[in-house]
Amino acid sequence: AQKITQTQPGMFVQEKEAVTLDCTYDTSDPSYGLFWYKQPSSGEMIFLIYQGSYDQQNATEGRYSLNFQKARKSANLVISASQLGDSAMYFCAMSPQNAGNNRKLIWGLGTSLAVNP
Amino acid sequence: DAMVIQNPRYQVTQFGKPVTLSCSQTLNHNVMYWYQQKSSQAPKLLFHYYDKDFNNEADTPDNFQSRRPNTSFCFLDIRSPGLGDAAMYLCATSSRQAPYEQYFGPGTRLTVT
Repeated sequence: AQKITQTQPGMFVQEKEAVTLDCTYDTSDPSYGLFWYKQPSSGEMIFLIYQGSYDQQNATEGRYSLNFQKARKSANLVISASQLGDSAMYFCAMSPQNAGNNRKLIWGLGTSLAVNP
Repeated sequence: DAMVIQNPRYQVTQFGKPVTLSCSQTLNHNVMYWYQQKSSQAPKLLFHYYDKDFNNEADTPDNFQSRRPNTSFCFLDIRSPGLGDAAMYLCATSSRQAPYEQYFGPGTRLTVT
């Protein structure tokens, strides 16, 4: 069965420091995509970063990078130089890549990040 | 700016009174999704449209219906809201070119009294 596990319900980080949010996944699909979304208290779900299972390099988007370790089935999100505005819920999700009409994202339970000034 | 728009942002309805939530997009994406998200939980997919092709999740209650009259608009109808239907409802879209990348609207927070 496909599953996303986020083991950290809550995390604290000091402003300007880096933080790693953990995500492990389970799938038997040979081809899949991994995502991170940010959800502030306002409720909007914001796409952060995407990693394809066959991508050779780890994905990066500005201050966000995805530490993809395929053999360990982990896709941790690293946020560098944390800002107060990074305080939010962070969700890891997965989708099969060659899914045709199957567009369902498998979601983790989320990690609540608080950035301290 | 291209975006996903949801109206209203906050909706209050009475127990059993039908309610419709709306979603529109200017991204010209062919896939549109409706999610339900309850407090401190991950979003739960209710259904999605791939063009006009409707795909219902097996565990979506019959109380929830959807309409997609054209590419830009999609509606979520709750025929007889119960107290347990109070939640955030998120609309999302994705394209053929990047089918795994979903863009979300700001959500509609539904309260049932």
